[in-house]
Amino acid sequence: NAGVTQTPKFRVLKTGQSMTLLCAQDMNHEYMYWYRQDPGMGLRLIHYSVGEGTTAKGEVPDGYNVSRLKKQNFLLGLESAAPSQTSVYFCASSYRLTGVDNSPLHFGNGTRLTVT
Amino acid sequence: GNSVTQMEGPVTLSEEAFLTINCTYTATGYPSLFWYVQYPGEGLQLLLKATKADDKGSNKGFEATYRKETTSFHLEKGSVQVSDSAVYFCALGRYSGGGADGLTFGKGTHLIIQP
Repeated sequence: NAGVTQTPKFRVLKTGQSMTLLCAQDMNHEYMYWYRQDPGMGLRLIHYSVGEGTTAKGEVPDGYNVSRLKKQNFLLGLESAAPSQTSVYFCASSYRLTGVDNSPLHFGNGTRLTVT
Repeated sequence: GNSVTQMEGPVTLSEEAFLTINCTYTATGYPSLFWYVQYPGEGLQLLLKATKADDKGSNKGFEATYRKETTSFHLEKGSVQVSDSAVYFCALGRYSGGGADGLTFGKGTHLIIQP
């Protein structure tokens, strides 16, 4: 029962470097999401996808890009990392639209990213 | 826009105490409401949900009632255990007909239960 798997678990970047966070789900879910969690801020939606080949912006999309080339994978990219992107990143998936159909979100265990 | 306000933490209680974590919301229309729980080192898990006014969600001894008149969704448990120590997030559905999806989360309430 893997569920939602995120890699890597930890990463340290220098300002200006790039990286890609990988999210994989084995539940055949149509919808996938990327959130960031910051102290005192809760979780904020970065981007989401309603199906293979689609992406959409969330609340805080600037500085990030995403791709959904395969249904089971959702990639989050940072082209030029900044200290403000230091955060814990969570990927989630759902069977139906979570905001519309009340389908629960299934979360991965997170990636802790530090940008120095 | 939509927003969720939760009581500040940490909340520290003794085992078997009664728990209330307050949550109020601002939203367009009548969104669904959720409580998620995050244990140390893990992602969030759905605890309970309510989809319309006066609905009561319940799970693992926790309850919350969707109160439209007070725009609230307070989380309660009659007798907490040490294993309930975690961070609790109130959330509401973002969808408002404009195509956006996902959930809007509160900032989270850290609950600490002492034996």
